[in-house]
Amino acid sequence: ETGVTQTPRHLVMGMTNKKSLKCEQHLGHNAMYWYKQSAKKPLELMFVYNFKEQTENNSVPSRFSPECPNSSHLFLHLHTLQPEDSALYLCASSQDGTGQTYGYTFGSGTRLTVV
Amino acid sequence: AQSVAQPEDQVNVAEGNPLTVKCTYSVSGNPYLFWYVQYPNRGLQFLLKYITGDNLVKGSYGFEAEFNKSQTSFHLKKPSALVSDSALYFCAVRVLMDSSYKLIFGSGTRLLVRP
Repeated sequence: ETGVTQTPRHLVMGMTNKKSLKCEQHLGHNAMYWYKQSAKKPLELMFVYNFKEQTENNSVPSRFSPECPNSSHLFLHLHTLQPEDSALYLCASSQDGTGQTYGYTFGSGTRLTVV
Repeated sequence: AQSVAQPEDQVNVAEGNPLTVKCTYSVSGNPYLFWYVQYPNRGLQFLLKYITGDNLVKGSYGFEAEFNKSQTSFHLKKPSALVSDSALYFCAVRVLMDSSYKLIFGSGTRLLVRP
């Protein structure tokens, strides 16, 4: 384990469902990130939180809603998703917003399938 | 525009042979460069980084990478490939965008080492 834990590992949801992805880190990091990984495409940065404040929303549709209640936890709330939203969603953390020391530490991801 | 490119979708190499996975970048200022590896159903794992100093950087699992400023490249190398090196490899560069730092990733290169 890397120190960044994501749950669930797999999720299948219908287009009308509401679900949430959870990410937790106890590395003492102050910045957390959501990435979307689709086949044969670069990782897409979705959201950035630095010291619990959202500093980046990379033109993500409103059907994705992040929440960062503290510097150790990050959620991604999902509702009325589309089949093209099916992907691996990766959470990452870094010591600070520069990611300078070792870049980012990633969780194992949640494999999301929208049916 | 700041970017990172991995020109090969897949690299095939025989076990015991040297391997190279290519990466080129385009950034403003001095680049901070990273390589990550992703095994099936796992998140990305940090391999190595270049921040400053020696152009040849050594990392985990016997991998190394060579920073070439004139060619704006940061190719990943290993003298003798193992079957267990088969995985998806991502190059990343730290960029400053909208007053904050973030990592942008290439599209990944699948390395297949055959016995």
